Amino acid sequence: DQQVKQNSPSLSVQEGRISILNCDYTNSMFDYFLWYKKYPAEGPTFLISISSIKDKNEDGRFTVFLNKSAKHLSLHIVPSQPGDSAVYFCAASSPGAGSYQLTFGKGTKLSVIP
Amino acid sequence: DAGITQSPRHKVTETGTPVTLRCHQTENHRYMYWYRQDPGHGLRLIHYSYGVKDTDKGEVSDGYSVSRSKTEDFLLTLESATSSQTSVYFCAIRPQVYSGNTIYFGEGSWLTVV
Repeated sequence: DQQVKQNSPSLSVQEGRISILNCDYTNSMFDYFLWYKKYPAEGPTFLISISSIKDKNEDGRFTVFLNKSAKHLSLHIVPSQPGDSAVYFCAASSPGAGSYQLTFGKGTKLSVIP
Repeated sequence: DAGITQSPRHKVTETGTPVTLRCHQTENHRYMYWYRQDPGHGLRLIHYSYGVKDTDKGEVSDGYSVSRSKTEDFLLTLESATSSQTSVYFCAIRPQVYSGNTIYFGEGSWLTVV
C-alpha cells in the first residue's frame, strides 16, 4: 500500500519556465512534508518542507503548496534552470511515526532543457 | 553536508556471503537510519536507531540486521547476500538541533551481489 505517490515518473521543462512536481498521499495522519533532490551518484539532499498547519512555504525559486483536503502537495520551481535536472522525492511523516520516520514517493525525474 | 561517512562506497560481492556497510557520524546524532533506493521503488526504510543499542525495523528489514554499539557508528549487515539486495544504500541522520522531521543523507553505498 503506497502511502505517498508521485504519479509522474518524469517531467521535461524548458529553461526559464515553471516546473510543477506533484505528490499525493493517502495517510491523513501525515503532518509534515518534505521534498528532496537527488543527482546521480549522490545522496538525496533536503530541498524544502512544509507543516500541515501551513498551505504554502517558499524558499527562493522553490515553493511548496499543500492542499490537505485533497491530500495533495506540489513543488513549484520558478524559473527552472538546467542545474535543477535531478530526481525529486516527496516524503511525509506523521506525529506517531517512530523515530521521525519518513515515507517516500518513488520520485519524479525532472529534465530542464536549455 | 550531513557529516556522514559511508563505507565502502562501492562493493561487489557473491551471493551467500555476508556483507557489512558502515555509517559513521561525528556529531553525536541520536537518530540514524538505513534506506535503500531502487528504480521504481523510491527510498525505503530498512532499519533505524534511536540510540546506542536501540534499533528497530523499517519497511524492508527482511534479510538485514543492524547494530549500534556506539553513538557514531550504525552498521548494516546482510547476513547472506542475495541478488535482490543489489541496491544503493543510504545512511541518514536526524540532527540533534530541532529540524522538524528533516533527515539528512550520506553519499550512498553501491552494492552489487553477483
